[in-house]
Amino acid sequence: DAKTTQPPSMDCAEGRAANLPCNHSTISGNEYVYWYRQIHSQGPQYIIHGLKNNETNEMASLIITEDRKSSTLILPHATLRDTAVYYCIVRGRDDKIIFGKGTRLHILP
Amino acid sequence: GAVVSQHPSRVICKSGTSVKIECRSLDFQATTMFWYRQFPKQSLMLMATSNEGSKATYEQGVEKDKFLINHASLTLSTLTVTSAHPEDSSFYICSADITGVGTEAFFGQGTRLTVV
Repeated sequence: DAKTTQPPSMDCAEGRAANLPCNHSTISGNEYVYWYRQIHSQGPQYIIHGLKNNETNEMASLIITEDRKSSTLILPHATLRDTAVYYCIVRGRDDKIIFGKGTRLHILP
Repeated sequence: GAVVSQHPSRVICKSGTSVKIECRSLDFQATTMFWYRQFPKQSLMLMATSNEGSKATYEQGVEKDKFLINHASLTLSTLTVTSAHPEDSSFYICSADITGVGTEAFFGQGTRLTVV
């Protein structure tokens, strides 16, 4: 079973920051938090991952709470192309990747 | 990021025939690959873990004799759907771990299988 809980859907206005929450209260000390997204009829695309520090790359920022029980993916300036299902995944090194139901993000023009 | 290529992207086959799907890591070695199946409006469901040079590990409820997995090299895993039936129609996706890293997986673009 997936170790994460996400809201089923969210809306965000184009140009605004999209903040996607994820709860992972049973995360273990050696498990990473990963974010992937899936655009319709494509394979999942890697976005970002982190262990306990906040991370930023060209696509997004990942904010992990100090107790590591939750995290937030931030897309700083959402565009229509960011419309997708976003999956938050907890995974230890060499572990299986188990998908939950994800959050369907709608970017509104 | 690293590239994982799946082939074919779409396939239509007749009921009772077998279909092979290839998953290749193009610019890295992958000791471990994963195979998923996704039905419309549902999430990805892990079918099996493919290990180079050894037998695949199947998830509960997945028939290993129906979904044959071969991982003969560090860059190629194949999934063969044997004696396909219409209920096997689905979106099949593979992913690959970078050998020695084990913390970042990359996904193929998926294969849409339609059994008629």
